[in-house]
Order: sequence, then C-alpha cells, then structure tokens
Amino acid sequence: TQLLEQSPQFLSIQEGENLTVYCNSSSVFSSLQWYRQEPGEGPVLLVTVVTGGEVKKLKRLTFQFGDARKDSSLHITAAQPGDTGLYLCAGALDGSSNTGKLIFGQGTTLQVKP
Amino acid sequence: GAGVSQSPRYKVTKRGQDVALRCDPISGHVSLYWYRQALGQGPEFLTYFNYEAQQDKSGLPNDRFSAERPEGSISTLTIQRTEQRDSAMYRCASQNGLKVFFGQGTRLTVV
Repeated sequence: TQLLEQSPQFLSIQEGENLTVYCNSSSVFSSLQWYRQEPGEGPVLLVTVVTGGEVKKLKRLTFQFGDARKDSSLHITAAQPGDTGLYLCAGALDGSSNTGKLIFGQGTTLQVKP
Repeated sequence: GAGVSQSPRYKVTKRGQDVALRCDPISGHVSLYWYRQALGQGPEFLTYFNYEAQQDKSGLPNDRFSAERPEGSISTLTIQRTEQRDSAMYRCASQNGLKVFFGQGTRLTVV
C-alpha cells in the first residue's frame, strides 16, 4: 500500500505544453516537499510547503499544498526539454518529530520533447 | 564538503558476501538518513541518526542490515550475507532545517 499516491507515473508532452502532477494521501503531513531527479543523480529539493492551502511559485513551476495537508500538486507552465526528469513528492507525517523521515511517492517520469 | 558524498559509487558483489557502504554528510549536519531507491521509484526510508545516535531503524528490511555513525559524522551501512534482492541504489541524505540533501548514491548489484 502506497501512502503517497503520485500521478501520473509517466508523462510525455511537447515543448510549450502545460502539465500537472498530483500527490494524494489519506494521511496528514506536517510538510511536503517536491524533488527533481536526473539520471545518475540524487533527488534535488525544489520546494517545501508546510501550511495548508499554501501556494509557492518557482519560475514556471507552481506548487500547492492542500487545505487539509493531505495532498499536493505541481503545475509546470510552458514545459521545456530541460524540465525532463523524475519528479518526486515526499511528505513528513504529521506528529512525527523527524521532518527528514520522508514518505516518497512513486515518482512521475516527465519527458518534454522539443 | 560541498555535498553529501557516498562511496563507492558502484559495487558488484557475490551473493553471500558482506558489503559496507559509506556516507560522508555535509559538514555540520546533525541528521543523517539512509534510503533505498529502486529504478524509477521514490526512495524508501531505512534508518536515521541524530549525531551518533541511531534514532529510528524501522525501515531496515531485516537483521542483515545495520548502520552506524560512531563519531556523529561519517556513516556506514552494512549488509551481511548479501542476497540478490538487496540489489538497489542506496542513498544517503543529510538535513539542515527542513532541507534534505541527497548524495549520488551507491549502486549495489548482487550477483
């Protein structure tokens, strides 16, 4: 049973298109993070959201944390080939004193074709 | 160092052998984590340390897996009597506040 369901698992789009990746759970998280991972490298942190309803923007990327802190989304506007990679959501369970013990989603493999 | 450093990057071992994977966290980071990641999947928590104390080892698959961080800096993940199912990418991470920094990992292949 996957605690954090991430969808879609695979996404292949043309340059310039928009996309949204979803991360859903029945559990409440004290914080939720999004990572991007390139082949042969470790995950690199993009953003951390901690407040229900919080929206953060990072250039063409928009991250949202659900009001109940059970879900999150990543929206990319006008995708570029450089956005290609594995996107991972990860949450720290609410009530845990350890915010680095992360539950990861299965990941979304994004391919942006020129 | 500038980032989390892991060695070796690649390890091929025969079934039944013991292996030791090393992690050198970012200097000054108190918390250190070990994760295991299958290809195309998200990392899975194994264990973590605050300083030299192992705080949580609930993710270790069985008693063949152990970890230590004797001086609160470098950590070693040891797998005894390796089995083919142990083949995976093993990642170390260290934490500063809410930010978790991952190493490049050790790709372990058990043949």
